[in-house]
Amino acid sequence: EAAVTQSPRSKVAVTGGKVTLSCHQTNNHDYMYWYRQDTGHGLRLIHYSYVADSTEKGDIPDGYKASRPSQENFSLILELASLSQTAVYFCASSVQGANTGQLYFGEGSKLTVL
Amino acid sequence: AQSVTQPDARVTVSEGASLQLRCKYSYSGTPYLFWYVQYPRQGLQLLLKYYSGDPVVQGVNGFEAEFIKSNSSFHLRKASVHWSDSAVYFCAVRAPTGNTGKLIFGLGTTLQVQP
Repeated sequence: EAAVTQSPRSKVAVTGGKVTLSCHQTNNHDYMYWYRQDTGHGLRLIHYSYVADSTEKGDIPDGYKASRPSQENFSLILELASLSQTAVYFCASSVQGANTGQLYFGEGSKLTVL
Repeated sequence: AQSVTQPDARVTVSEGASLQLRCKYSYSGTPYLFWYVQYPRQGLQLLLKYYSGDPVVQGVNGFEAEFIKSNSSFHLRKASVHWSDSAVYFCAVRAPTGNTGKLIFGLGTTLQVQP
């Protein structure tokens, strides 16, 4: 039973269109993250959230919005998709505190912007 | 600022051979350290983690890593690799304090195990 599920798993979008990537976790974790994976760049943090109704900017937030309507759900929104946003996007969750910090990842969402 | 360097983009070894994947980090104190593995078309899965204590940590599938503070390294090792170990391996670091909890990842090392 996957604890972090992402949808869609694959999407083709047109330049200038709106894209929403969704993430749902059943880990009961407070923290959720969106990472982007590109060849040659590894994983880079876009946005994260540590409580419902609040989001924080990560290292590369430009061109992305995030929404955390509940503890379980965390969405990544591309209002105006661009070619440079073609990538694989990973959602993850974690619990924070002493001797913690492990991330639990979803299987990824492959986005192709044409 | 925290950073992670994995100097080898690709490593090729023969099945049954030993393996070491290198990881060096930049952090002023003692961070939390992780190794993740990514199999094709899958998300990242945790192999092992280091928070404190014994510098040699054991992970799944026979993997282990050693934290060497003097060298700022956290190399991953396996005594005998199997073809199924072919994957991309990521080293990651996070600060043990603070509330962001975010991990900083290296660029990854692609491991190819030849039969």
